[in-house]
Amino acid sequence: GAGVSQTPSNKVTEKGKYVELRCDPISGHTALYWYRQSLGQGPEFLIYFQGTGAADDSGLPNDRFFAVRPEGSVSTLKIQRTERGDSAMYLCASSLIGGRAGGGELFFGEGSRLTVL
Amino acid sequence: DAKTTQPTSMDCAEGRAANLPCNHSTISGNEYVYWYRQIHSQGPQYIIHGLKNNETNEMASLIITEDRKSSTLILPHATLRDTAVYYCIVRDWYGNKLVFGAGTILRVKS
Repeated sequence: GAGVSQTPSNKVTEKGKYVELRCDPISGHTALYWYRQSLGQGPEFLIYFQGTGAADDSGLPNDRFFAVRPEGSVSTLKIQRTERGDSAMYLCASSLIGGRAGGGELFFGEGSRLTVL
Repeated sequence: DAKTTQPTSMDCAEGRAANLPCNHSTISGNEYVYWYRQIHSQGPQYIIHGLKNNETNEMASLIITEDRKSSTLILPHATLRDTAVYYCIVRDWYGNKLVFGAGTILRVKS
């Protein structure tokens, strides 16, 4: 597709359940990022992949959050034992060249809105 | 990455230039200034970035002061569709992630 695609666009789940959010980056983009955004705040960095490996996972809040990118393209953000505080918009972005500020413009998807009841 | 300071909100009349300021007094020599915006219910959108020279593209102009401690994003002819949250971000050459602050809410009014 032309842009970053995220599915589902909306997910409602119950406290304690497991959730997976998918991100399909722009074709050929080697870098992929996950962010979380709560209402009224700027996006908060979670994790960054360069190819298949997580180059920076310093933003993952705890071990209930995990992300994979097994073939260096699609990525899945996994949240175990969801809590009400996990409710937020989860944004994915990709870029052509990671690690170079001059050429590393990030393209964001429309996000997956997660609501934990 | 250096911290940025932006006003919480600004208003602009439709058709006028919108000038959005950003302070980044602790910026270091290898850090770029990036601007993104986020229209309601959408993901952030890249606008422009620069190191020390002024930059212009089809969306906006970026004016960086000579000491690089502040910058201004200029939307030359604001339209209602430019109403959004505008984020000023400092990112180093090797920095792989963008660190967003709270941004400036720009309201363009007719």
